[in-house]
Amino acid sequence: GAVVSQHPSWVICKSGTSVKIECRSLDFQATTMFWYRQFPKQSLMLMATSNEGSKATYEQGVEKDKFLINHASLTLSTLTVTSAHPEDSSFYICSAYTPVQGPYGYTFGSGTRLTVV
Amino acid sequence: GENVEQHPSTLSVQEGDSAVIKCTYSDSASNYFPWYKQELGKRPQLIIDIRSNVGEKKDQRIAVTLNKTAKHFSLHITETQPEDSAVYFCAASKDNAGKSTFGDGTTLTVKP
Repeated sequence: GAVVSQHPSWVICKSGTSVKIECRSLDFQATTMFWYRQFPKQSLMLMATSNEGSKATYEQGVEKDKFLINHASLTLSTLTVTSAHPEDSSFYICSAYTPVQGPYGYTFGSGTRLTVV
Repeated sequence: GENVEQHPSTLSVQEGDSAVIKCTYSDSASNYFPWYKQELGKRPQLIIDIRSNVGEKKDQRIAVTLNKTAKHFSLHITETQPEDSAVYFCAASKDNAGKSTFGDGTTLTVKP
């Protein structure tokens, strides 16, 4: 079945540094990638939607200059958290969609737990 | 935009009993309703989904019902087992290519 590989699975970084999270679709082409953030014991909150070759669409309240999304190819999307602060600590997870998957249109990555110290 | 409400937030049942989780949505244009199971620290896993042209769908011990008029849908788990313990999320989207709005989740605990 469709697999989305997400790396790293966890990362600890210092305040002020940037962190890049990658999501790769391994056996299919992901035309659309969704990026979510999940705080402990809370739901998944959509941050942005990216389509290959175009700019990402950010949800209201999400700073596009802080959370840089690049979807340069049909198999790779990246989220860069710039100038990270402790309040950015969260579980970040991507979800890919491709029409060929039929009813199981969404495939989630394994998630990245970011801790900013 | 779409608003999805999920109840209850926590649910505890005895092994073998049934569990029901309910969600309501606000956007009548939504037509795709997946349910996800998420274990601690892991990715959400799709367990069942339903489209607006179907009223009920069943897969072994899991079933989902949809009432388009009332804009609510429910997850039913029968003969619950301890391994069913997890957080369950409902979601709604306008089609299976659009962004999903998730409910707040239900923590299900199945006591042996």
